[in-house]
Amino acid sequence: QKEVEQDPGPLSVPEGAIVSLNCTYSNSAFQYFMWYRQYSRKGPELLMYTYSSGNKEDGRFTAQVDKSSKYISLFIRDSQPSDSATYLCAMSSGTYKYIFGTGTRLKVLA
Amino acid sequence: DTEVTQTPKHLVMGMTNKKSLKCEQHMGHRAMYWYKQKAKKPPELMFVYSYEKLSINESVPSRFSPECPNSSLLNLHLHALQPEDSALYLCASSQDVGTQYFGPGTRLLVL
Repeated sequence: QKEVEQDPGPLSVPEGAIVSLNCTYSNSAFQYFMWYRQYSRKGPELLMYTYSSGNKEDGRFTAQVDKSSKYISLFIRDSQPSDSATYLCAMSSGTYKYIFGTGTRLKVLA
Repeated sequence: DTEVTQTPKHLVMGMTNKKSLKCEQHMGHRAMYWYKQKAKKPPELMFVYSYEKLSINESVPSRFSPECPNSSLLNLHLHALQPEDSALYLCASSQDVGTQYFGPGTRLLVL
């Protein structure tokens, strides 16, 4: 079993839809949780960062962490074609090793 | 400013060449990282420098040699690479173990 599991997609949604992206993990020591957006042939861009449990909102993006279920989510409201990218979750237990999910490819159709 | 810069953007090299990748950040971050990323795969950690000292080497072949001249700069020296080393090489930095910021990457092709 991988430490972090993420559905690779692709996930196709119409413009304006609410998108839900998820990762599950097995290591209960993870405390730092991040979501990155990566466009093709570019470096990952940090979207959201959460420490421990709870919700965090930034514009159209909401990140949720449920440590009891070992489950994290990223919600994108009013999705746009420009949101089409690969979304990577990443997490760390407080060391310099960040464990990444495999990434979910998202396509938002105009 | 949350910018990590990398040069060059693209690099083509033969298997006998020696080249270097450069990374720079001015956020005052004390940890800097090299990752390798193949197509449709997540980034794969290679090296971590913490306070200018090598703290993690993920059993990377010696044809890759990292160097951290100061707290803002990170180099990756390449020598005698193989075609399978062709990938996107990403630099990242973080303030201790918090949020990690990535550069745009260097796309490397080994012929």
